[in-house]
Amino acid sequence: GEEVAQTPKHLVRGEGQKAKLYCAPIKGHSYVFWYQQVLKNEFKFLISFQNENVFDETGMPKERFSAKCLPNSPCSLEIQATKLEDSAVYFCASSQSQKGVPEAFFGQGTRLTVV
Amino acid sequence: SQQGEEDPQALSIQEGENATMNCSYKTSINNLQWYRQNSGRGLVHLILIRSNEREKHSGRLRVTLDTSKKSSSLLITASRAADTASYFCATTSYSGAGSYQLTFGKGTKLSVIP
Repeated sequence: GEEVAQTPKHLVRGEGQKAKLYCAPIKGHSYVFWYQQVLKNEFKFLISFQNENVFDETGMPKERFSAKCLPNSPCSLEIQATKLEDSAVYFCASSQSQKGVPEAFFGQGTRLTVV
Repeated sequence: SQQGEEDPQALSIQEGENATMNCSYKTSINNLQWYRQNSGRGLVHLILIRSNEREKHSGRLRVTLDTSKKSSSLLITASRAADTASYFCATTSYSGAGSYQLTFGKGTKLSVIP
């Protein structure tokens, strides 16, 4: 597609439940990035992929968070046993090239509310 | 870790005035990008400036980059009510082992009053 598609737009989970977010990058883009934005403030980097391979996961919480980008499937970000502080908008971005002109195109985000 | 720091955090101006937002960063970068975020929406890419460039224009936008001071500024001329949004700078840098990061600042919330 011509835009980064994130689903669902909104997700409400009870504390302790699992949450799974999806991201379809722009066709032909080989890099995918996930960011967490809390209260419309700073964007916290979580993880990046080069195709199906994890490229940089230095921002991922060690426990409860996992992500995948499998061939021919949307990328996913999964949070096991959600906590209240996981409430945020999660943005996905894709980029055609890491180096050179790494303009990243962002999706509209998934708003996760943990109650 | 926080890389870009924008100031001011909030800016309110009259329609037609110019708006200037600043961004400072800490480490070496490859380029710097400015994004706009309308309330509750995704990020829209505005302009990218490479580390070897000093100034760049795009329509009513003017971006400067001073790598010696590790700072950048975004100027929006002849502002419009539709420019009301939050503006973020983001730096790209390559860390060890070829790792690439796109790191955002906290943003400047711009309000343009009709």
